[in-house]
Amino acid sequence: SQKIEQNSEALNIQEGKTATLTCNYTNYSPAYLQWYRQDPGRGPVFLLLIRENEKEKRKERLKVTFDTTLKQSLFHITASQPADSATYLCALPPLTSGTYKYIFGTGTRLKVLA
Amino acid sequence: DVKVTQSSRYLVKRTGEKVFLECVQDMDHENMFWYRQDPGLGLRLIYFSYDVKMKEKGDIPEGYSVSREKKERFSLILESASTNQTSMYLCASVSPLTGFYEQYFGPGTRLTVT
Repeated sequence: SQKIEQNSEALNIQEGKTATLTCNYTNYSPAYLQWYRQDPGRGPVFLLLIRENEKEKRKERLKVTFDTTLKQSLFHITASQPADSATYLCALPPLTSGTYKYIFGTGTRLKVLA
Repeated sequence: DVKVTQSSRYLVKRTGEKVFLECVQDMDHENMFWYRQDPGLGLRLIYFSYDVKMKEKGDIPEGYSVSREKKERFSLILESASTNQTSMYLCASVSPLTGFYEQYFGPGTRLTVT
């Protein structure tokens, strides 16, 4: 079955550094991959989508890469700030077209230390 | 901006009670979802609806039912609440017309069943 893995351990980094989060998946060749941010007690908020034919996508201080050979996506936050502290989820589209069962990772909690 | 609202942020119910969680979206999205989120388990799909009065079971539908009488409103019903249904419940909506399939989530309802 399809599986998506994110580092369940929290990631602590110093303000100003680059945070790198990893999303690995197996038994799947998705057409795209998504990243969401979730603050404590709130719903996830969509950040970025990267398609299988895109190696890299940027949005302000965010950068996402997608390696379909390694079956891995990396999510980078450059010049990190304490306000970036949150849990970040990756998600894959439904396996079967016409269904709506998105596959979410469990998320990685990021804490940016001032 | 898409807005997804949920009827309650926090809810405490007793075992055996019938519980209604309501979700409303204001962007005319066709597809709506109910998830529950538990630590270490990530987001799990309970039900989704792709049109008014249309619904499909997700991965964990047992003990739940749904209702979608109007396009903007999707209700989750716990027929007889049990303590193992204590969780964070998240509603989401998406429109294939956006081309990106990102889901818009509500703020969540933290349900405690005692």
